[in-house]
Amino acid sequence: DADVTQTPRNRITKTGKRIMLECSQTKGHDRMYWYRQDPGLGLRLIYYSFDVKDINKGEISDGYSVSRQAQAKFSLSLESAIPNQTALYFCATSDSLRDGYNEQFFGPGTRLTVL
Amino acid sequence: AQSVSQHNHHVILSEAASLELGCNYSYGGTVNLFWYVQYPGQHLQLLLKYFSGDPLVKGIKGFEAEFIKSKFSFNLRKPSVQWSDTAEYFCAVLRRGSSKIIFGSGTRLSIRP
Repeated sequence: DADVTQTPRNRITKTGKRIMLECSQTKGHDRMYWYRQDPGLGLRLIYYSFDVKDINKGEISDGYSVSRQAQAKFSLSLESAIPNQTALYFCATSDSLRDGYNEQFFGPGTRLTVL
Repeated sequence: AQSVSQHNHHVILSEAASLELGCNYSYGGTVNLFWYVQYPGQHLQLLLKYFSGDPLVKGIKGFEAEFIKSKFSFNLRKPSVQWSDTAEYFCAVLRRGSSKIIFGSGTRLSIRP
């Protein structure tokens, strides 16, 4: 969805490096999410944010941190990357005005490889 | 804990065959249900969704899904698949009032031309 963008699209890094993945959206949604996708495991929620001052841990937040710099921007950081964080990372947004019906809109993904 | 099960991890069909992908969820309350599709190299896109009303919902590209509350199921169907349907399909469940969608592990669909 062109309304949700992620940078970079691909990144190869080394163990121990700090990495930041960025997500921006022009949909005007207040809720944003970070997922990782691994083969056979589907999508797992890392962190989510309902507004700029509200950050919540998902099911697999260990080793990750996030920052909601503005309503439109939500970044994911790996403070010290490790090989098992190699995955495809997706950002998503949804609209609280349709609470209970919130379809999520996904960005194109960032493929991260940690050597 | 709420969970979503997709029992078929990889399905291989010939073109024009009929498709049914299974999805079962564990939550007993009111739910919204989704099927997302991920074409090779692309991001997830919504295929169809159920919120209320007619339990048979129709989505894009000829797909449909039927919500059977008594079976906690939301199976995806297509009468005649095409090679372009090759993709990974994810079932997802949103408990009404929550903002956390729970995804299944996905089913990879391969279509032989």
